[in-house]
Amino acid sequence: RKEVEQDPGPFNVPEGATVAFNCTYSNSASQSFFWYRQDCRKEPKLLMSVYSSGNEDGRFTAQLNRASQYISLLIRDSKLSDSATYLCVVNTGYGGATNKLIFGTGTLLAVQP
Amino acid sequence: EAQVTQNPRYLITVTGKKLTVTCSQNMNHEYMSWYRQDPGLGLRQIYYSMNVEVTDKGDVPEGYKVSRKEKRNFPLILESPSPNQTSLYFCASSLPSYQGRLYNEQFFGPGTRLTVL
Repeated sequence: RKEVEQDPGPFNVPEGATVAFNCTYSNSASQSFFWYRQDCRKEPKLLMSVYSSGNEDGRFTAQLNRASQYISLLIRDSKLSDSATYLCVVNTGYGGATNKLIFGTGTLLAVQP
Repeated sequence: EAQVTQNPRYLITVTGKKLTVTCSQNMNHEYMSWYRQDPGLGLRQIYYSMNVEVTDKGDVPEGYKVSRKEKRNFPLILESPSPNQTSLYFCASSLPSYQGRLYNEQFFGPGTRLTVL
């Protein structure tokens, strides 16, 4: 079983749609959780961190369920510019150790006009 | 401008010909890391460095070497490249996780697309 699993997609949605991505992780000791965005052939960039209480940044909402080891990302009112691959990332490092990031393989989103 | 740079961006080489991919950051970050990205496998960590002269293996270190003689630079060395090292490589840097936070955002370089024939 992969440490971080995501549905690879692609998710093809019309502009204005709401789309949700899910991710599960296997290491129950994981400390922190993130969504990164990666445009085609470019470097990943941090989209948002994911907190236990859930957090929102504009049209984006992230949720964490530690009991189920499950992370989600909701995008409302999709824009053409949201088309990208969304990477679920889990940090299993702790304290003075290191940033030990485990990346999911990504979910491809294509927003259609 | 705060950034991570990598060179070269594209490289086609032949089996066994030693090569170095450079990585440099101007953010005074202690932590630096190399990843490779392959279809269906996601990003996997090759090596990382907590600070100058401190390096350690990631998940897929075989066939690679690194060095950290200066804080800003973290080159990736392939002593004898093989076709299975054909991949997209990313360098990343961040502040270390122990500085009052569990995690600091990693900043990635633009990537190096390597093909080994």
